[in-house]
Amino acid sequence: QKEVEQDPGPLSVPEGAIVSLNCTYSNSAFQYFMWYRQYSRKGPELLMYTYSSGNKEDGRFTAQVDKSSKYISLFIRDSQPSDSATYLCAIVTGNQFYFGTGTSLTVIP
Amino acid sequence: NAGVTQTPKFQVLKTGQSMTLQCAQDMNHEYMSWYRQDPGMGLRLIHYSVGAGITDQGEVPNGYNVSRSTTEDFPLRLLSAAPSQTSVYFCASSRTSGGAYEQYFGPGTRLTVT
Repeated sequence: QKEVEQDPGPLSVPEGAIVSLNCTYSNSAFQYFMWYRQYSRKGPELLMYTYSSGNKEDGRFTAQVDKSSKYISLFIRDSQPSDSATYLCAIVTGNQFYFGTGTSLTVIP
Repeated sequence: NAGVTQTPKFQVLKTGQSMTLQCAQDMNHEYMSWYRQDPGMGLRLIHYSVGAGITDQGEVPNGYNVSRSTTEDFPLRLLSAAPSQTSVYFCASSRTSGGAYEQYFGPGTRLTVT
């Protein structure tokens, strides 16, 4: 079983829609939970990270962690064409990072 | 700051050849790491380092060597290239305290082994 599972999509939504991206993980020892965005042919860039259950907001982005269900989500409000990218969840324990496979998102103008 | 730089951007190798992928950062970060990214597999950690002289294995270390003689540089060596090592390789760095998990990624090296 993989440490982190992520629905690969692809996901296509109209501009202005609310987007929900999700990952599940297997190891309750995982400490930190992150979301990265990766544009085509670029390196990933960190969007948000959190270490506790609950919600964390940053502008149009909300990261949600449910440790009891081992489930993390990223919500994007008022999605824009510039949000079109691949979104990767990542989970950290110790010095080891485990990434999901990524969900490809296209926001249609 | 240049951030994290990687060279080369593209490389084609024949099976059995060896080569070194270069990675450098100018942010004085202690933590550096190498990943490979394959379709359907996501990013997988190959090796990482928490400081000069200290390295450790990640999820998929076989066929790769690393060393860390300076804070700035973290080269990845392919000892005897195999077609299974065809991938996009990313180097990343971060601090190890206060915002420790904000990794900065380089632009990647696209490697094809024939």
